[in-house]
Amino acid sequence: RKEVEQDPGPFNVPEGATVAFNCTYSNSASQSFFWYRQDCRKEPKLLMSVYSSGNEDGRFTAQLNRASQYISLLIRDSKLSDSATYLCVAGRGGGGNKLTFGTGTQLKVEL
Amino acid sequence: DAGVIQSPRHEVTEMGQEVTLRCKPISGHDYLFWYRQTMMRGLELLIYFNNNVPIDDSGMPEDRFSAKMPNASFSTLKIQPSEPRDSAVYFCASSDRATNEKLFFGSGTQLSVL
Repeated sequence: RKEVEQDPGPFNVPEGATVAFNCTYSNSASQSFFWYRQDCRKEPKLLMSVYSSGNEDGRFTAQLNRASQYISLLIRDSKLSDSATYLCVAGRGGGGNKLTFGTGTQLKVEL
Repeated sequence: DAGVIQSPRHEVTEMGQEVTLRCKPISGHDYLFWYRQTMMRGLELLIYFNNNVPIDDSGMPEDRFSAKMPNASFSTLKIQPSEPRDSAVYFCASSDRATNEKLFFGSGTQLSVL
């Protein structure tokens, strides 16, 4: 079993739609969680951190459920420019913070 | 800031040849990470350094892989001899103690071993 699992998609949604991704992690010792975005043939870039209380950044909302060991990302009013692969990430925290990446969920936003 | 710089961007080589990938982290960052990305396995951490010292190399697949960081501004990942299954995108990333949860990735090296 992979340490961080995601539905690979693709999720094909019309512009303006709301889309949600979930991810599960298996290491209960994980302390920090993130969503990274990766455009085709580009490097991953941090989208947002995920906090236990949930957090929002514009159209993006991330939530963490420690009891069930899953993380979610909600994108509202999706734009064509949101088309990318979204990587769920869990880290052990502390110095170095060794991060484990999921294989990613592909999102395609269409006209 | 120029960001994390990797070279070469693309490398095509024949099986059995030595391959050296290079990385310059962001100035002031004291953590450096080497990742490999494939379609099947996604992003895998190979090794990371703190203050030029290798901390965890448990992700290095075989003895054919080696990594060095002779100074704070330069690291190499070497594969010798290379094999077709090493074909992947290799990313270098750096972070600092203050924001060590945020990794800054280089543009990656696309390696093809024929």
